[in-house]
Amino acid sequence: QITLKESGPTLVKPTQTLTLTCTFSGFSLSTTGAAVGWIRQPPRQALEWLALIYWDDDKRYSPSLKNRLTITKDTSKNQVVLTLTNVDPVDTATYFCAHSGVSGHDYWGQGTLVTVSS
Amino acid sequence: IQLTQSPSFLSASVGDRVTITCRASQGISTYLAWYQQQAGKAPRLLIYAATSLQNGVPSRFSGSGSATEFTLTISSLQPEDSATYYCQQLKSFPLTFGGGTKVDIK
Repeated sequence: QITLKESGPTLVKPTQTLTLTCTFSGFSLSTTGAAVGWIRQPPRQALEWLALIYWDDDKRYSPSLKNRLTITKDTSKNQVVLTLTNVDPVDTATYFCAHSGVSGHDYWGQGTLVTVSS
Repeated sequence: IQLTQSPSFLSASVGDRVTITCRASQGISTYLAWYQQQAGKAPRLLIYAATSLQNGVPSRFSGSGSATEFTLTISSLQPEDSATYYCQQLKSFPLTFGGGTKVDIK
């Protein structure tokens, strides 16, 4: 059974760095083909794909955020970490991590709401 | 690759047949997924590879299309289908989602 759960701060000040952790179980990110992605959703808006990391440490980013985003993995801890630098109120959103493959994101975490405000 | 969904909102009765369209700005073969997001919940994968039903998804959901035009059909709308539906292309990075279609039950 695959499960994922996001964790991190609920409130971040503008210009700070947001660090979110996705802790998962039921699969290994050292298995060929495995991947974990991050998607966010501002309040009452559509989903926005952010980043993806593969079992071989290949990483893909949204071009609109690429300069601010970093995705890393800790295979031994079954965790994927997303950092977003220089946050702004427009980065206020629910952030989801998901088990990902060529067919899509088939297992999702519950999401974590992050508010950017001074 | 941009995805345009239509309509953005629809209201239908229980038992109705509902169709949602997703158009891609360039050809994506069948690299398309559909998700359902109920209020306050994480999205759920319904359809992958444009036409394949994800395990556990009711058979009233179906997908069709290829290249630039795709549809998600609910053959007989149920109360629990009240949700927002999103398409996503997986042909190339950055992966992109459509703007969503909110389905309301009359």
